[in-house]
Amino acid sequence: DQQVKQNSPSLSVQEGRISILNCDYTNSMFDYFLWYKKYPAEGPTFLISISSIKDKNEDGRFTVFLNKSAKHLSLHIVPSQPGDSAVYFCAASGANSKLTFGKGITLSVRP
Amino acid sequence: DTGVSQDPRHKITKRGQNVTFRCDPISEHNRLYWYRQTLGQGPEFLTYFQNEAQLEKSRLLSDRFSAERPKGSFSTLEIQRTEQGDSAMYLCASSSGYGNLNEKLFFGSGTQLSVL
Repeated sequence: DQQVKQNSPSLSVQEGRISILNCDYTNSMFDYFLWYKKYPAEGPTFLISISSIKDKNEDGRFTVFLNKSAKHLSLHIVPSQPGDSAVYFCAASGANSKLTFGKGITLSVRP
Repeated sequence: DTGVSQDPRHKITKRGQNVTFRCDPISEHNRLYWYRQTLGQGPEFLTYFQNEAQLEKSRLLSDRFSAERPKGSFSTLEIQRTEQGDSAMYLCASSSGYGNLNEKLFFGSGTQLSVL
């Protein structure tokens, strides 16, 4: 039973355009959501997070949106750059800091 | 702050052998986590420590797996009688754990285990 779902395995966008990465969750106890970026042979690197008391958090080119009623969050990258090409994981936590991850989505940004 | 350090980066072993991995968390981080990642999957939680106390273990952690964190600093993860299904990337992460429940985890580069 996957509690965090990233249903699209891959996404390809043109450099300079917007990348939108989606994530759905099923556990109502989750109250903190994070996005991690991962390059091959490296550990995940924290990108941006959002608490359940907010619906938007922005950090430079990265914005995360949270729709609690739909149990859905999305990561927007604007403008997309070739260096953004990586695997992006959505993660969620509840009563402790233990994170539950989705399967990840591979983003490719074409020059 | 040198980040989370894991050793070795790669380990190749034969089925049935025992292996041990080490993780050094960010200094003064109270919480330490072990995750496992296989191809095409996200990291899966194995266990975590608050200081030296092991507070939670996943059902994924069979009795062949044991983790320790003596003195609440570095941690070791041992796998006994390895099986081919144990082949994966083993990730360690740490967080400060100072009462703030909404914390981000800092990950190491992982140990890639291949069981032949």
